[in-house]
Parts: sequence; structure tokens; C-alpha cells
Amino acid sequence: AQSVTQLDSQVPVFEEAPVELRCNYSSSVSVYLFWYVQYPNQGLQLLLKYLSGSTLVKGINGFEAEFNKSQTSFHLRKPSVHISDTAEYFCAVRIMDTGRRALTFGSGTRLQVQP
Amino acid sequence: GAVVSQHPSRVICKSGTSVKIECRSLDFQATTMFWYRQFPKQSLMLMATSNEGSKATYEQGVEKDKFLINHASLTLSTLTVTSAHPEDSSFYICSASGGLGLQVFFGPGTRLTVL
Repeated sequence: AQSVTQLDSQVPVFEEAPVELRCNYSSSVSVYLFWYVQYPNQGLQLLLKYLSGSTLVKGINGFEAEFNKSQTSFHLRKPSVHISDTAEYFCAVRIMDTGRRALTFGSGTRLQVQP
Repeated sequence: GAVVSQHPSRVICKSGTSVKIECRSLDFQATTMFWYRQFPKQSLMLMATSNEGSKATYEQGVEKDKFLINHASLTLSTLTVTSAHPEDSSFYICSASGGLGLQVFFGPGTRLTVL
């Protein structure tokens, strides 16, 4: 079985400051990694994903994440946040066996951008 | 990206009644659909996986007789919450994948409130 840990339930940050949202995972098999964003009362929107290749992945809205296999981490970063980035962010994994396509989510991190 | 819709977006019902939630893939054929439940300020928990034309696979602890899933076509899956109780109040989110299914697309969610 796999699990995802997001250590920070809330991250307050001032507008235009950099931010890092942490994600660690545990799995006995290789996984794909994802970050999703959820705005209030809405579904999930894919920010970025790591499937293979370069460990630095760039996504939408200026976000990027780096896969670190030795530390089993996939932290999300943005160099300068905006008020509109205030949302819930979920890290997720999916095992590489295509027979099981469901995602396992972390508990989420609420990013609160303050003016 | 592909579009997944859910209907209704919100539903309020009395305890003991049944509620049907629809999940549609609008511009692709979804061979697999997933149903998640999200309690307030918590992560998404997978309830079941359905493949078109076959019975759904439920996660441990999810009552299949209470949460009926039908995936009758490649564009439609339904979740029926039977004899709903207040503890079933939650945000229900579906997602869909097609083909090799490396990416899944999420619906906007359905807020169920059982009085």
C-alpha cells in the first residue's frame, strides 16, 4: 500500500513571498506523483505531475515541484505567490501498475496568502 | 483538458431518502471512473472504482449496498446513496480516465446534505 504525508495542514504566507508545500510518500513500488489544487466548493485541478525523466517538473500558475527519490519527497514551490493562490493543495500518488489507476491523496495543505 | 461534469452540484434531502449523483465525461470515453468522498477539511477518500460494463470495486469499509454505483456507458457513471443519513453528508467527487489512463480528470463535486 502507499501513503502520502503532507506535514503542514496550513501555510500562511504574504503576497509575493515564496512558498514551499511539503509532500512525502511511502510506497513499496514505483509511483507517479501529482499535485492538485482545490478552490472552495470545487473539484480538483491538476497543477503538475511527475511521470518520469527530469525530476524538476513545471506546472500551471507558476508552480513547480521536484521529485527526490532518495527522500521520497515531491515538494511544491512557487517563487512569488498571489492572493488568488489561496486554496487547498493536495499531493497524490498512483502506482505504476496500470491495473490500479486510483489516486491516493495526502491530507491537504491550506495555503493562505495574505496581503 | 478533458471535461467531467457532475449533477447535481448541491442536493439537500431528508434522512431515509435516496439520492442519485451523475458523473459524465463530456469529451472523451471514460473506461474507468472513480468515486471519492471528502469530509470537511479532510482529504479525498476513494470509495469505489467502476469500469464500464462491469461491477464496481469498493474500497474496504465502503458499503456497496448503500452506495450503489452504475457505469452503464463510457460517458456516464452514477452513484446512488440509498437511505441517506446525516452522517452521509459530504462532498462527493468523481473522476474519470480513458485509454491508458495516466491522467484522471475530476468533476466539480456534489455537496450532499442530509437533514
